[in-house]
Amino acid sequence: ELKVEQNPLFLSMQEGKNYTIYCNYSTTSDRLYWYRQDPGKSLESLFVLLSNGAVKQEGRLMASLDTKARLSTLHITAAVHDLSATYFCAVPTYAGGTSYGKLTFGQGTILTVHP
Amino acid sequence: KAGVTQTPRYLIKTRGQQVTLSCSPISGHRSVSWYQQTPGQGLQFLFEYFSETQRNKGNFPGRFSGRQFSNSRSEMNVSTLELGDSALYLCASRLRGGNTGELFFGEGSRLTVL
Repeated sequence: ELKVEQNPLFLSMQEGKNYTIYCNYSTTSDRLYWYRQDPGKSLESLFVLLSNGAVKQEGRLMASLDTKARLSTLHITAAVHDLSATYFCAVPTYAGGTSYGKLTFGQGTILTVHP
Repeated sequence: KAGVTQTPRYLIKTRGQQVTLSCSPISGHRSVSWYQQTPGQGLQFLFEYFSETQRNKGNFPGRFSGRQFSNSRSEMNVSTLELGDSALYLCASRLRGGNTGELFFGEGSRLTVL
């Protein structure tokens, strides 16, 4: 059974600081997704990482994927308050053919950025 | 382009009742998935539908069921509600056959069972 683990689960940062969220998964996958969720809101897609070594950047966030290590990282550069949210990584379970079936999500990392 | 639309957004039911939630996917998306989000269990996959057929099912009791219509709209039903069914139910759609498999989520239906 696929397991996806994030750490840390809680992250309190000062504005302007850098930090990394880690996402480990237990079975082979060639892709991984990162989502953001604001309180009481839905999931917003941040990054789609489709291959080993994939790196994507959007503003102060950068995500990478190492399929051999079964590890993805979400790096935050010079954090600002607007980045405060819960961040999830998710890995698909293949259901055959090109179907990616279900996503297994990590527990989520609650990020709080303080002035 | 309209996103994934879920109705109702909020509802309150009592134990033993049943509930039906509706989801309209993004235009052109034919695959619809449902997830349950609770503080204790996190995000858990319920089921996925494509071409009116259930393609994948999560580890939930038979009280949870769903269906998809020919226009790709989907409904999920929970019968004999229990307190533990209180959750945010999220619907997501994707372009099956697209190269990313990316899921786009709706705003969710927040169910409270009293």
